[in-house]
This record gives sequence, structure tokens and C-alpha cells, in this order.
Amino acid sequence: DVKVTQSSRYLVKRTGEKVFLECVQDMDHENMFWYRQDPGLGLRLIYFSYDVKMKEKGDIPEGYSVSREKKERFSLILESASTNQTSMYLCASRMVNTEAFFGQGTRLTVV
Amino acid sequence: DQQVKQNSPSLSVQEGRISILNCDYTNSMFDYFLWYKKYPAEGPTFLISISSIKDKNEDGRFTVFLNKSAKHLSLHIVPSQPGDSAVYFCAASRPQGAQKLVFGQGTRLTINP
Repeated sequence: DVKVTQSSRYLVKRTGEKVFLECVQDMDHENMFWYRQDPGLGLRLIYFSYDVKMKEKGDIPEGYSVSREKKERFSLILESASTNQTSMYLCASRMVNTEAFFGQGTRLTVV
Repeated sequence: DQQVKQNSPSLSVQEGRISILNCDYTNSMFDYFLWYKKYPAEGPTFLISISSIKDKNEDGRFTVFLNKSAKHLSLHIVPSQPGDSAVYFCAASRPQGAQKLVFGQGTRLTINP
């Protein structure tokens, strides 16, 4: 059974903290993605990676960075958390011309 | 620029009837389209996809139709069941590069008994 695992289901962080969201996939996929989901806005792409150490900005990269040191792991970093980063964060991976598999999501609240 | 649009935020359908969810796109370079279902506090789960070389794909109760000239796709669910109540997202990707998925805003489907 294919799997994308996100390190936390729920997180509460304080404004200004550095936050790490971890994602691991066991399907040997080259492509990995970080999205955030907000009501009425759908899923918006933050960053994606098509290979180890390779990354590209998505549609809303401001305030975020990513790291991909190993093929199976893709981390999202909030450099200095702000309240407008309170959201549901979703990690996904996919191969070419197939569906993307999503993790269970991390509900992040910044207070 | 919203390249994939789902213009209906919500849809209510009676159990046993057909549910039709719609999606429009603007980028003619998209060649692969998908539908996902999402329950609250969970990640999206894949339902069905279609390549641009087809105009229909069927999987059990789910059928996706693609009209390339109108840049429109739709998801039909027949018959609708209470467990189908969820938010549905359509997504599209281009053939090049990492093939990032571009998502619509979602449609909340409610199946009434």
C-alpha cells in the first residue's frame, strides 16, 4: 500500500517560531509537492521538487522554504511563522502522468 | 490567475440520484486531468483521471467527461450515496517538467437521504 506520511496531524506554534513540516513517501517518486488548503481557495502550491536537492517555487512561496536531501523526504520550513500561515498543509508525491498521492495533512495553527 | 475553476462552491443531491460536478480550465497546455475527494482533516484521495486524448473515462459509479473545445470537464457520480458527501477538487497538469497539479477551489457535495 503506497504511503505519504506527514510528521504531525496537528501543530500549534507561536508567531515568529521556525516551523518544520516533514513528509516521507515510500513510492520512489521523483516529484514531491507542498500545498496549503484554505476555504474557498482550493489547494495552492507552495513549493515542489523534481529531484534530490532540486526545488522550484510554486504559486505562494513567500515565507516558506523547502529541503530535499533524500529522495523520499521533502520538508517545508516556515522561517518565521505568522498568523496568516494558519492552514492545512498537504504533501504529495507523483510519477509522470499518474495521480498524486497525498499525506493525511497537517493542521497548523499559529497563535 | 485561476487556471482551473470550479464555479459551484456547493451542491446538494438526493441519495440515488446523479451528482454532476463541473470544472473549467483556461490553459490549453493541460493534458491530464484528475478528480480528488476530500473529507475534513484528511488528505485528498484520488478518484479518477482522464488524458486529453480521451473524452470519457469510467470507473464504477464515477465517470469523467472531457470537452477540450470548451475547456470543460465534469464528474458524474451515479448513483449518489451518503458516503459521497465530501469536497471534490478537480486538478490539471501539463506534460512538461515535474507536472505540478493545478487545483480548482473545490465543490462541497452533500448527499441527502
